[in-house]
Amino acid sequence: AQKVTQAQTEISVVEKEDVTLDCVYETRDTTYYLFWYKQPPSGELVFLIRRNSFDEQNEISGRYSWNFQKSTSSFNFTITASQVVDSAVYFCALSEARDNFNKFYFGSGTKLNVKP
Amino acid sequence: EADIYQTPRYLVIGTGKKITLECSQTMGHDKMYWYQQDPGMELHLIHYSYGVNSTEKGDLSSESTVSRIRTEHFPLTLESARPSHTSQYLCASSELGTSEQYFGPGTRLTVT
Repeated sequence: AQKVTQAQTEISVVEKEDVTLDCVYETRDTTYYLFWYKQPPSGELVFLIRRNSFDEQNEISGRYSWNFQKSTSSFNFTITASQVVDSAVYFCALSEARDNFNKFYFGSGTKLNVKP
Repeated sequence: EADIYQTPRYLVIGTGKKITLECSQTMGHDKMYWYQQDPGMELHLIHYSYGVNSTEKGDLSSESTVSRIRTEHFPLTLESARPSHTSQYLCASSELGTSEQYFGPGTRLTVT
């Protein structure tokens, strides 16, 4: 079974629109970490955020915000007032205590197209 | 900004050749990883290392091999390249298991 599901394969928005990227995870561990990465066309993965399972506070960083809800096993990512430079593939990932946090389970990614 | 490097960035090679993809990091991280990724697709872990002289296979079976003789260096070798090996290979490192992984720029390999 897929541990991390990103159901949205591709999303297209017009610049300045808000967009939310969904991430649903599956784990039996009580201690785990969640991550979001951005992969622009250049190919390199850029780390955006890490969140541990005991911290459900939402986080905001500039135009980016994250909504972590353990009740629904979701860790969604919202970009406010999107820009063309936000166009990329975004990956959600999970690491678990059972693996000593040695493995990342990545979702299949959501490709975001922001049009001018 | 992460200091993790991969060479070459692009490689086109014929079938049957032996190749080594280089990965090095200057952050002193014990943990290092190799992922295989088709363009824009899911990342698959193929190898990882806890530290010097430790290597483990990942979730995706791979014909490649790795070595970890020095903390900063984690090369990946294909003894006989095949067209099915055409992909992007991403190297990463992390300080702790609970830490974020930092990724290199990747090597795009094409086997003709």
